[in-house]
Amino acid sequence: KNEVEQSPQNLTAQEGEFITINCSYSVGISALHWLQQHPGGGIVSLFMLSSGKKKHGRLIATINIQEKHSSLHITASHPRDSAVYICAVSRTSGSRLTFGEGTQLTVNP
Amino acid sequence: DADVTQTPRNRITKTGKRIMLECSQTKGHDRMYWYRQDPGLGLRLIYYSFDVKDINKGEISDGYSVSRQAQAKFSLSLESAIPNQTALYFCATSDPTPENPFGELFFGEGSRLTVL
Repeated sequence: KNEVEQSPQNLTAQEGEFITINCSYSVGISALHWLQQHPGGGIVSLFMLSSGKKKHGRLIATINIQEKHSSLHITASHPRDSAVYICAVSRTSGSRLTFGEGTQLTVNP
Repeated sequence: DADVTQTPRNRITKTGKRIMLECSQTKGHDRMYWYRQDPGLGLRLIYYSFDVKDINKGEISDGYSVSRQAQAKFSLSLESAIPNQTALYFCATSDPTPENPFGELFFGEGSRLTVL
């Protein structure tokens, strides 16, 4: 079993829909990261959080430390949100990240 | 200009050739990483460096070597490339804080390597 599991692996939505991507982990962490990888390949960091909730524009990330679970929500989805979303955790030792396999999101107009 | 720059962005080479991928950053971060991405396997750590005198192996270091020439530069070498090293390679930096020992990640644009 992977230490970081994402679901779903693939997600197709219609423009305007509310989207949720889930991440569960099984190790002790200092923080959880949500990354976005566009079709061109580049990766950007969306959120880094260790508790509670963060919001940036239409994106919201939450984490429940007790349940070892995080969700990434996209409100009013748009085709430009189409990308691979990757969850990663930094362990309490702080030296490495463990990555999930990613969720491929496609938003159709 | 990007904060983390990788060169080359694309490279096609033949089995047995020596290849170097270069990474430079303007973030002023001490920590730098090289990752490899393969379809279905996610990102895997090859090497990492916490400062100029510190080099550490990651999960999949066999067949690779690195050099940290300066705080801003971290290069990855394949001494004798083989086809299963065909992948997308990413350089990244991070900046730890007291609240978060790892810190936020900043990635380069990626280097696509094909070994024939």
